[in-house]
Amino acid sequence: EAQVTQNPRYLITVTGKKLTVTCSQNMNHEYMSWYRQDPGLGLRQIYYSMNVEVTDKGDVPEGYKVSRKEKRNFPLILESPSPNQTSLYFCASRPRLAGGPYNEQFFGPGTRLTVL
Amino acid sequence: RKEVEQDPGPFNVPEGATVAFNCTYSNSASQSFFWYRQDCRKEPKLLMSVYSSGNEDGRFTAQLNRASQYISLLIRDSKLSDSATYLCVVNLNFNKFYFGSGTKLNVKP
Repeated sequence: EAQVTQNPRYLITVTGKKLTVTCSQNMNHEYMSWYRQDPGLGLRQIYYSMNVEVTDKGDVPEGYKVSRKEKRNFPLILESPSPNQTSLYFCASRPRLAGGPYNEQFFGPGTRLTVL
Repeated sequence: RKEVEQDPGPFNVPEGATVAFNCTYSNSASQSFFWYRQDCRKEPKLLMSVYSSGNEDGRFTAQLNRASQYISLLIRDSKLSDSATYLCVVNLNFNKFYFGSGTKLNVKP
């Protein structure tokens, strides 16, 4: 089944304790992206990757790191989490623009992170 | 100023009603446009892309007005299963996506 998976789905942690949220897709998509969703603000893009070893900042990259060593995986790293990073996080992927700019993004099920 | 603005609603409509949502975007260089649907606390899913000439998919019609920088979604013959939050999404430079905060729709029997 074509899908984007994220782990963990739920995480409660404490300020300053490094964590990684994994994202994996089995659709051979080149493009992957991370978003956070907060009430009243919608989804905001954190980082995206156009292919292996190619990443770039979205709108809210502060406090996050990413890596893209393999095509299928795009982990999100919080080196020193803070309470303002408490949010619902989504990973997404889509194919290259062979079909034009309207390619659908496929989202993972989300990771609910609470930083105390 | 937000890149994408939507009326948060909620829109409360009876089954069978027609309902319309609008969304405005601020960057005239935006290249592609979408409506996504999100059920409570779940991942967004593509409802439809929005093409310059307007497009229809069953009961759903999307329109784009580049001059006024707004996008619309029309839902005809609303079903209970249409109850969800509808997200307007704008794509810039192919790689950056901007989401509206969503419009909540409640369809009631």
